[in-house]
Amino acid sequence: GESVGLHLPTLSVQEGDNSIINCAYSNSASDYFIWYKQESGKGPQFIIDIRSNMDKRQGQRVTVLLNKTVKHLSLQIAATQPGDSAVYFCAENPSSGTYKYIFGTGTRLKVLA
Amino acid sequence: DVKVTQSSRYLVKRTGEKVFLECVQDMDHENMFWYRQDPGLGLRLIYFSYDVKMKEKGDIPEGYSVSREKKERFSLILESASTNQTSMYLCASKLMNTEAFFGQGTRLTVV
Repeated sequence: GESVGLHLPTLSVQEGDNSIINCAYSNSASDYFIWYKQESGKGPQFIIDIRSNMDKRQGQRVTVLLNKTVKHLSLQIAATQPGDSAVYFCAENPSSGTYKYIFGTGTRLKVLA
Repeated sequence: DVKVTQSSRYLVKRTGEKVFLECVQDMDHENMFWYRQDPGLGLRLIYFSYDVKMKEKGDIPEGYSVSREKKERFSLILESASTNQTSMYLCASKLMNTEAFFGQGTRLTVV
């Protein structure tokens, strides 16, 4: 909800520019990664996912990049719009067959008009 | 459209009350989860269930219990609510190795 983003790192981007949000994950055996968007007062919403046998995946206006060497995940949003303002966080599946994800704490994206 | 529905958006309860948070999903998912979300801490897993009547503790189960009598419904129970359980509670469901779908969240305040 509204208070979730109070202590988060914030990325401020001009409307129309591209945004890059980063995530360092913890487990080198993780095989599946997801980006979620959470708007104020709402539950997290799936944006895009990527499996460990890929290093890039594109969706509509979004691209996820996976660098397994340094355990780094990034979300790129093209032509950022005011509706993209939200908290974004990544999740990793530590290994195939497990039920539980490990979630990052998130980054708040603010789009400036 | 997939749906995870939590019974309440906002709840205010008194210390010591028994609190029930209900979650229903319509996707026939085996796996369901309860998380709490607090500023700066991200999502922390309370309990999860991988089948009817099956449950496993997550990372912070103390003070909570769960019930899964039907596949589509997963309930979180606070046996005796305390002020440190004031939080945003999120229910999720998923299949194995796919994305989790979340409900809209329940903001619980214990006074």
